[in-house]
Amino acid sequence: DQQVKQNSPSLSVQEGRISILNCDYTNSMFDYFLWYKKYPAEGPTFLISISSIKDKNEDGRFTVFLNKSAKHLSLHIVPSQPGDSAVYFCAARGGSNYKLTFGKGTLLTVNP
Amino acid sequence: EPEVTQTPSHQVTQMGQEVILRCVPISNHLYFYWYRQILGQKVEFLVSFYNNEISEKSEIFDDQFSVERPDGSNFTLKIRSTKLEDSAMYFCASPLGGASEDTQYFGPGTRLTVL
Repeated sequence: DQQVKQNSPSLSVQEGRISILNCDYTNSMFDYFLWYKKYPAEGPTFLISISSIKDKNEDGRFTVFLNKSAKHLSLHIVPSQPGDSAVYFCAARGGSNYKLTFGKGTLLTVNP
Repeated sequence: EPEVTQTPSHQVTQMGQEVILRCVPISNHLYFYWYRQILGQKVEFLVSFYNNEISEKSEIFDDQFSVERPDGSNFTLKIRSTKLEDSAMYFCASPLGGASEDTQYFGPGTRLTVL
C-alpha cells in the first residue's frame, strides 16, 4: 500500500542546473509534507516542509511546491551542487497522527 | 541540526537472540519515534512513544518488539527473538520543539544484522 510514491528511483543532473524531484500521495488525510535527504549509513536529514494550507515554501536553494488537487508535490533544487548528491525521501503525515509515511526515495546525482 | 544519538552504530546478532537498541532524543522531550529501513526499501514507521507509553504502533511492531524509557534521557527498542528479516537500519526520531506535531529529527541509525 504505497500511500506516498516517488516514481523516479534516480535522477542525474549537471552542476548548476535545476533538480526537480517529484512525489505523489494518495491519502487525502495527509496535511503536512516533508523532504528528507539521506546519505548511506546515516539517518534522514530534514530539508524542508510544507503545510497543506500553502502551495509553496522556499528555503535558500530549496523550494517545495504542493498541488493538493493533483496530490502532488515537488522539490526544486537550484542551482544543484555535487554535495546535493544523496537519496531524497518525500514524507507525509496527517490528522492527529504524526507518524511519517515515506516514499521509496529518489537517488539524485549531481555531476560536476 | 538538533542532535539525536543512537548506540550501537552496528549490531550483529544470531537469529533468536535478543537485541537492545538505544536512543538519546533531543533533550527533555517526551515524544519519540522508531522507524526502520530494510536495505533498498523505504523508511517505515514502527512505533511512537509519549510520556512512557506507546501512542501508536504499526503492524510490524509485533509482540517481539518493545520500547522502554529506562531513565530520563534514554529510550530503548528491544527485539526479544530476532529473525533474519529484522536485519535493517533502525532510526529513532525526536520532534524538534518537543511537541508531537513538530518536525522529526532523526538519529544516525543502528544497523542490525541478524545471521
